[in-house]
This record gives sequence, structure tokens and C-alpha cells, in this order.
Amino acid sequence: KNQVEQSPQSLIILEGKNCTLQCNYTVSPFSNLRWYKQDTGRGPVSLTIMTFSENTKSNGRYTATLDADTKQSSLHITASQLSDSASYICVVSAAPAAGNKLTFGGGTRVLVKP
Amino acid sequence: DADVTQTPRNRITKTGKRIMLECSQTKGHDRMYWYRQDPGLGLRLIYYSFDVKDINKGEISDGYSVSRQAQAKFSLSLESAIPNQTALYFCATSERGSYEQYFGPGTRLTVT
Repeated sequence: KNQVEQSPQSLIILEGKNCTLQCNYTVSPFSNLRWYKQDTGRGPVSLTIMTFSENTKSNGRYTATLDADTKQSSLHITASQLSDSASYICVVSAAPAAGNKLTFGGGTRVLVKP
Repeated sequence: DADVTQTPRNRITKTGKRIMLECSQTKGHDRMYWYRQDPGLGLRLIYYSFDVKDINKGEISDGYSVSRQAQAKFSLSLESAIPNQTALYFCATSERGSYEQYFGPGTRLTVT
């Protein structure tokens, strides 16, 4: 069964500090992995999309890594800001042969405190 | 400047009532999706449509139906709402050949 597990479920960090979120998946065959940011009361917004051949991608202060061999990804937030308070969702897409099915993780809720 | 809009944003309804959630997009995308989100769980796909005449079931379609009235409009109906359909519902769109999905702001539905 395809699964996406995220850790931690939640974390609190002080403004200006860095943090790293983890995503482990069992989706196969793999196509791509996405990280979304979801503000409270809003729809998810894409941060990064990585295919099998990419092992790192940045979007401003967000840097995602992918290890397709171990089926792990991380999202690193540098110099956190209050506006980074949100849920971060890891999403893994199966390959076209498996219908491009998306499997969503349960998210990590990040709270940045001043 | 919202490209994907959902109406209503919030709705409280009673068990057994029929309810329709609507989604409109101005992005010109062919593909549209309906998801539900429950606390602590990942989004789950209810239905998706790759074209006006194309409707496909997702992983949790039981109790739901959809209508793709036009390229820009995709509606989700609950024929007879039940309390465990209380959730946050999201519409999303994507362009053919792109991995990117664009989500609407969500509809919070409560069934009492």
C-alpha cells in the first residue's frame, strides 16, 4: 500500500532559527515528490517539485532534498519567519504506469514564535 | 486575484440533506479535482476530471457525485449528507502535462 509518513507531526521554533521536516514514502513506481505549504484556512500552495533525477531544489528559504534510494525527503526552512507558520505537506506521485496517483502525507504543523 | 474559487466557503447542513459545492477556475486548465481533508490525515481524492466529458472516481467516491458543467466549472454533490462527511473540501486544477496542481481556498462543511 502506498504511504507517505511525515515527521514530526508538529514543532515550535523561534523566529530566525532553522528547522527540518522529514518525509518517508513507500510509493512505487515513483514519479515525483512535492512539498506544499498550507496556511490555516487556505488551500495548499506548491513549494517544490522534484523528479527522480533531482536530489535538491530550493525556493527562497525553503530547500527540499530527495533520496530516491532510501525513499526519503526533507524540507529545510532557513532563518524562519512568523509567516512560515503553517502546515507543510509532502505529496508523492506514482508513475504514469500506476495512474499518476497522488499520495498525501498528513502534514507537519510548524509554529514560529517571536 | 483568485484563480480557483470555491463556493460556499462554509456550510452547515443537516443529515440527509442534499448539498452542492461549486468550483470555478480562470486558469484555463483542463484537469480538475475534488479532495477532502480530515484533521491529521492527508488529502484524499474524491473525483477528478481530465476534460468536460471525462469523470473518474478517486479513492473515496462513495456518497459523492460530480458534474463538469464546463471546462471552468466542476461541482461536487452530496446526495444525502451524513455526519462523517464533515470535512474540509478542496478543489484543484492542473494543466495537461504538468505536475503542478493549484488549489482553491476550501469549503468547510459540517453535517449535523
